[in-house]
Amino acid sequence: GNSVTQMEGPVTLSEEAFLTINCTYTATGYPSLFWYVQYPGEGLQLLLKATKADDKGSNKGFEATYRKETTSFHLEKGSVQVSDSAVYFCALAVNTGFQKLVFGTGTRLLVSP
Amino acid sequence: KAGVTQTPRYLIKTRGQQVTLSCSPISGHRSVSWYQQTPGQGLQFLFEYFSETQRNKGNFPGRFSGRQFSNSRSEMNVSTLELGDSALYLCASSSDRLTDTQYFGPGTRLTVL
Repeated sequence: GNSVTQMEGPVTLSEEAFLTINCTYTATGYPSLFWYVQYPGEGLQLLLKATKADDKGSNKGFEATYRKETTSFHLEKGSVQVSDSAVYFCALAVNTGFQKLVFGTGTRLLVSP
Repeated sequence: KAGVTQTPRYLIKTRGQQVTLSCSPISGHRSVSWYQQTPGQGLQFLFEYFSETQRNKGNFPGRFSGRQFSNSRSEMNVSTLELGDSALYLCASSSDRLTDTQYFGPGTRLTVL
C-alpha cells in the first residue's frame, strides 16, 4: 500500500537555525509528493510539491527534492523564523489524483527567539 | 476570492446521535474532498466528490457518507456516532483537473461525549 513516514517531533530550534524534517514514502506507481503546513487553529496550506523524480519544490525559503532512489522528500530551510512554528505534513498522491492524499503523521516545529 | 468555508466550526454530540457537516468550496471549484484528523490516526482521506458524484473513497465504515450539490457545496454525515469519531474534519476543494492543488478549510472540530 501507499504510506508516508515522517520523523517524530517536536523539532525545537533557535531562530536562524537550519531545518531538516525527514520524510520517506512507500508507493505503488509514481507518486507526486507534497509538504503541507498547519498553523494553530487553521487548516492545511500547501507549502511545496514535486511531481517527478529529481524535481525540487520550493516556496518561502523551504525546499524539498524528490529522491526516487532513496524514496525520500526531506524538507529543508536554511534559516528558520519564529513564524515558521507549525506542524508540517508530508503527503503523497498516486494516479487517483491529487484529491486523494496520503499523509504522514506530521512533525511539530517550535522555533524560539 | 473567498477560501474554503466549513460550518459549524465546533460541534458537541453524544454517542448514538448523527451529525452533518457542511463545506463550501472556493468559487469555481468542483471537487471537494473530506479528511478526518485525529491524534492517533493522523490525517485520513474519507471521500471526494466531483460534479455531484463520489469519485474517490477511503476506508471508512458506511456510517460516514457524503453528498455534493449542484453548486458544489458538500455535506458529510456521520450516523450512530462513536467516541472514536471525535476529530477535526477537514474539507478541501480544487478545480477540475486531477493534478490541481487542494485548498483546505479551517475544519470542524467534532467532540462525541
